Amino acid sequence: KNQVEQSPQSLIILEGKNCTLQCNYTVSPFSNLRWYKQDTGRGPVSLTIMTFSENTKSNGRYTATLDADTKQSSLHITASQLSDSASYICVVRVGGSTLGRLYFGRGTQLTVWP
Amino acid sequence: DVKVTQSSRYLVKRTGEKVFLECVQDMDHENMFWYRQDPGLGLRLIYFSYDVKMKEKGDIPEGYSVSREKKERFSLILESASTNQTSMYLCASRRRQVINQPQHFGDGTRLSIL
Repeated sequence: KNQVEQSPQSLIILEGKNCTLQCNYTVSPFSNLRWYKQDTGRGPVSLTIMTFSENTKSNGRYTATLDADTKQSSLHITASQLSDSASYICVVRVGGSTLGRLYFGRGTQLTVWP
Repeated sequence: DVKVTQSSRYLVKRTGEKVFLECVQDMDHENMFWYRQDPGLGLRLIYFSYDVKMKEKGDIPEGYSVSREKKERFSLILESASTNQTSMYLCASRRRQVINQPQHFGDGTRLSIL
């Protein structure tokens, strides 16, 4: 069964600290994995995409990793800011078709305290 | 920048009413999607469309229908609203022929059925 599991469900950290969010998936065949950030009251916005051949990709203070063998991805946030408070959603696409369906994780709710 | 606009941010309707949620995108995207987002469940796909007048059922189409008369507009219809359709509804669009393109989301319509 195709699934995407995220952990932790929620996380509270102090401003300036680092954190790592996890995503495990059983989706097959794998096409790509994307991390979205969803601010409260807004729609999700893409942070980064990982394809099969990529291990690490950075977008500013966000660094995503992918281990295709163990089917795990992580999103590391460095030097957190109050504006990082949001839900982070892991999304995996099946196969290589342009109509390949998406599997969504339930998200990790991150709260950054001053 | 891609803009996906949902006509209402908040909507309150009564049980049994026919409800229309409208979504417009300005980037000439072929694919459009309707999701609902509930706490603890993540995003679930209701319907999608890959061309004008084309529609496909997603994972939870019961109680919903859609209309795509023009490429830029995708409407979600609740035929006879029920309280269990109280939710956040998100519309998204995506260019079809490019596999690694993200879905671009609107900011959602929070619908309450009384």
